[in-house]
Amino acid sequence: GESVGLHLPTLSVQEGDNSIINCAYSNSASDYFIWYKQESGKGPQFIIDIRSNMDKRQGQRVTVLLNKTVKHLSLQIAATQPGDSAVYFCAEGTGFQKLVFGTGTRLLVSP
Amino acid sequence: DGGITQSPKYLFRKEGQNVTLSCEQNLNHDAMYWYRQDPGQGLRLIYYSQIVNDFQKGDIAEGYSVSREKKESFPLTVTSAQKNPTAFYLCASSMEVNYGYTFGSGTRLTVV
Repeated sequence: GESVGLHLPTLSVQEGDNSIINCAYSNSASDYFIWYKQESGKGPQFIIDIRSNMDKRQGQRVTVLLNKTVKHLSLQIAATQPGDSAVYFCAEGTGFQKLVFGTGTRLLVSP
Repeated sequence: DGGITQSPKYLFRKEGQNVTLSCEQNLNHDAMYWYRQDPGQGLRLIYYSQIVNDFQKGDIAEGYSVSREKKESFPLTVTSAQKNPTAFYLCASSMEVNYGYTFGSGTRLTVV
């Protein structure tokens, strides 16, 4: 079946750096993408989403980029803080189908 | 404040026992979901419900059962038939199936 995957299982950055977390998706028909943040022992939190008719969307300190040509999604976090340390995973949706979740990338922020 | 509540946060079960995990939402969402999360793995769908009195099996439904008698509630029963029930269980809800999901804080089930 279709799946969502991530390039890097762990990303280590220094506080204040910008972080980029990547996600490759395989279903070219997917039209909705979401990034979630999950802290240890907690449920995932919605960060930002994007529809396939857009290639960029910005939130507070976060930007999601969508490249449909190469089926690639990225999450950029500006001025990364220790509180950003968590597992981040993407999800894709197609039409009225359920979301498919990736396995996640762990972001470690050093002070 | 609207949200989705899972209880209990930690649950211990003896082998051979059934146990029920609670999930309640006051977001007026139609769709609800149960996922299982194991260390280092992604979310695996157990069951989902798009509307009251209707639910569908997900990818790993064996050994689990659900009910959806009320819009707000979607309890999950982990039966003794589930061979490896120790895991972190997440409940989620959404306005529609293809919309962003709101997750609960999870229940960590341990079989002792």
